[in-house]
Amino acid sequence: TQLLEQSPQFLSIQEGENLTVYCNSSSVFSSLQWYRQEPGEGPVLLVTVVTGGEVKKLKRLTFQFGDARKDSSLHITAAQPGDTGLYLCAGENSGYALNFGKGTSLLVTP
Amino acid sequence: GAGVSQSPSNKVTEKGKDVELRCDPISGHTALYWYRQSLGQGLEFLIYFQGNSAPDKSGLPSDRFSAERTGGSVSTLTIQRTQQEDSAVYLCASSKRRSPNTIYFGEGSWLTVV
Repeated sequence: TQLLEQSPQFLSIQEGENLTVYCNSSSVFSSLQWYRQEPGEGPVLLVTVVTGGEVKKLKRLTFQFGDARKDSSLHITAAQPGDTGLYLCAGENSGYALNFGKGTSLLVTP
Repeated sequence: GAGVSQSPSNKVTEKGKDVELRCDPISGHTALYWYRQSLGQGLEFLIYFQGNSAPDKSGLPSDRFSAERTGGSVSTLTIQRTQQEDSAVYLCASSKRRSPNTIYFGEGSWLTVV
């Protein structure tokens, strides 16, 4: 099982601040996905990155896949209370199931 | 349906009882996954189905856990003689099993064993 380490585990910030969440592994992935999960709901896909060095933007969220396809980061600009949730990264290798990190729990207060 | 549907959404059961959790995947999705999410533990892979076959059952925690899928669609996860440590959210997901393998989750079944 390839382990995905996410950091930080918990993050509490005020509205308007910027933040970065990291997802690291010693394994190479063919793709890496980011999900957001809100209480009482299942994870919802935010983005999939496939190419080493790839950068994708989703409004105020910027996702980057490491050049070696072993790590990824999620940067949120000017966080809002609606960004509150659990952010999960998941790596795909030649297998069939995604390997998930433990997640970063983000709280954005007004 | 439009999304992955799971039932029940919440289940409280007594220790030692059997429970069945149901998952109805997105239409046309050949792959189906069960994950377990415990507090602070992230998502733990349990089992994967491709069609009606389960190529890998190694994620099932013990022989009290079993799962089946019929007609390439609905899946049932059964936990026999439930224990308190089985309390968790059981998430089902499905995908078209292409690369990149984007999987879509249901809202989960929250199981509490008392």
